[in-house]
Amino acid sequence: EAQVTQNPRYLITVTGKKLTVTCSQNMNHEYMSWYRQDPGLGLRQIYYSMNVEVTDKGDVPEGYKVSRKEKRNFPLILESPSPNQTSLYFCASSYRGLSSYNSPLHFGNGTRLTVT
Amino acid sequence: AQTVTQSQPEMSVQEAETVTLSCTYDTSESDYYLFWYKQPPSRQMILVIRQEAYKQQNATENRFSVNFQKAAKSFSLKISDSQLGDAAMYFCAYGKETSGSRLTFGEGTQLTVNP
Repeated sequence: EAQVTQNPRYLITVTGKKLTVTCSQNMNHEYMSWYRQDPGLGLRQIYYSMNVEVTDKGDVPEGYKVSRKEKRNFPLILESPSPNQTSLYFCASSYRGLSSYNSPLHFGNGTRLTVT
Repeated sequence: AQTVTQSQPEMSVQEAETVTLSCTYDTSESDYYLFWYKQPPSRQMILVIRQEAYKQQNATENRFSVNFQKAAKSFSLKISDSQLGDAAMYFCAYGKETSGSRLTFGEGTQLTVNP
């Protein structure tokens, strides 16, 4: 089954303790990205990657890191999480981006992160 | 920078009736894409409908249709014959291929369907 898999689904941690949220897709998609969802703000892009070893900042990259060593994986790293990073996080992927009608942006099921 | 505004935080509709969700956006571009996504309580993000800005014809997908007014920068979603399963948060989104396929989302509209 074609899917974007995020882990974990829920995560509670403390301020300053490094964490990684994993994202993997099995559709051979070139494009991957991370969003955070906050009430009243919708979803905002954190980082994106057009292909292996190519990453770039989105709208809210501060406090986050990403890497794209393999095509299928795009982990999100919080080196020193803070309470303002408490949010719902989504990983998304697509084959050729928005112009490919048959390949809309596929989202993972989200990771609910709480930083205390 | 592009912005997307959904001015209705909450909407409700009776089952089998029609509801329209509003969305406006701001851009100086002429070539872009607009989307409506549905997010049920399961948190999944489900693509409902997509519109290419160069197409004048409004997109339709079964009971879902849009009213795309390019000059007014308006992109509303009409749900006909509303069903209980349509209850969800709905997000309007704007995207451009040259912006890293980034989607700019609106704040969301929570739709309740009353039996």
